[in-house]
Amino acid sequence: AQSVAQPEDQVNVAEGNPLTVKCTYSVSGNPYLFWYVQYPNRGLQFLLKYITGDNLVKGSYGFEAEFNKSQTSFHLKKPSALVSDSALYFCAESGGYQKVTFGTGTKLQVIP
Amino acid sequence: EAGVTQFPSHSVIEKGQTVTLRCDPISGHDNLYWYRRVMGKEIKFLLHFVKESKQDESGMPNNRFLAERTGGTYSTLKVQPAELEDSGVYFCASSGVTEAFFGQGTRLTVV
Repeated sequence: AQSVAQPEDQVNVAEGNPLTVKCTYSVSGNPYLFWYVQYPNRGLQFLLKYITGDNLVKGSYGFEAEFNKSQTSFHLKKPSALVSDSALYFCAESGGYQKVTFGTGTKLQVIP
Repeated sequence: EAGVTQFPSHSVIEKGQTVTLRCDPISGHDNLYWYRRVMGKEIKFLLHFVKESKQDESGMPNNRFLAERTGGTYSTLKVQPAELEDSGVYFCASSGVTEAFFGQGTRLTVV
């Protein structure tokens, strides 16, 4: 079965510090991996994706993610967190441009 | 370019009533998906349309849920009769040949 896992329900980080939101995947073949963000009272917004190519993917709002095949991980990172980054982050995968399967989500709290 | 839009944004209904959610995908997107997130849990896939055809409806919880996409444009998701456990946020998404774009969701509360 194809799936993603987000081991942390919540991540707290001080404003200005680097942040990491973890995601691991178990997908056979070449995974298509995504990060989405849900701000309070808003819909899901696409942040970035990995299909092929460079393992370091840059996305919206200064976020980036590193695809690590040996560790089957796709952690979301940002060098300097903003209070406005506080939101719910979902890692997701699909076997192609088809059905997307989501992780359980990680609540990011950036503390001023 | 307009994004995926969903109506209504919120709905509060009593147990046993009927509710219909609507999704307008991005124009030209053949793929339309419905997802649901129950409070505190993961976002779960409900079904996938390709144009007007149901490609995959393996996530539909039971026969109280009916999804349609007449003409391959907008889609509706009807819950009849609604139960308490149907409460949650229902997301719609559409895609062409790239990643899926999501609507803002409909928050359904069954009381």
